[in-house]
Amino acid sequence: NAGVMQNPRHLVRRRGQEARLRCSPMKGHSHVYWYRQLPEEGLKFMVYLQKENIIDESGMPKERFSAEFPKEGPSILRIQQVVRGDSAAYFCASSPQVSEPQHFGDGTRLSIL
Amino acid sequence: GQQVMQIPQYQHVQEGEDFTTYCNSSTTLSNIQWYKQRPGGHPVFLIQLVKSGEVKKQKRLTFQFGEAKKNSSLHITATQTTDVGTYFCGQEVTGANSKLTFGKGITLSVRP
Repeated sequence: NAGVMQNPRHLVRRRGQEARLRCSPMKGHSHVYWYRQLPEEGLKFMVYLQKENIIDESGMPKERFSAEFPKEGPSILRIQQVVRGDSAAYFCASSPQVSEPQHFGDGTRLSIL
Repeated sequence: GQQVMQIPQYQHVQEGEDFTTYCNSSTTLSNIQWYKQRPGGHPVFLIQLVKSGEVKKQKRLTFQFGEAKKNSSLHITATQTTDVGTYFCGQEVTGANSKLTFGKGITLSVRP
């Protein structure tokens, strides 16, 4: 039973480009969460999705960031017109039900040149 | 907004010493979850506490949920070098759509 799969593991973009981060939840999990982590910082909640619906996006910046979890395929975190401050590790987690423990992927390390 | 306090941020212990850390909330929680992240790795779920005053053990790790469901503790008996990592508590406020708010974590280093 594969865990949460995130790709790519490392992503390098130049300022102004778009970054697309993908997350396939564990089998049977319909709840997906995205977090951002800066070095020596905690996990900052960004968005919570449940198949095709955004449940809570209170942690998402108002501009340039969007997330989706389509009926078929992985969840996507999209960052448009990236800036240096977007450099961070982005973790995806999934859970089978509300309030159950979350299983994390290996993360995508995003670097902006 | 909800405040999650984990202090201190770093702790260094000698191998074999005991270690305790705390996680405090400004609001009453529906449950609290603890995760461990090794350097360069991803957070891994350790335990979930739901009931007031609940105590759970995992080998040398003991987790406790406060009576008022506003704080939690993690105690490690006789630390080993394999305990190195950052320990995060994730707090879920009642009615908060399953959203976890994490503290900054405490990074534990163990001197052999």
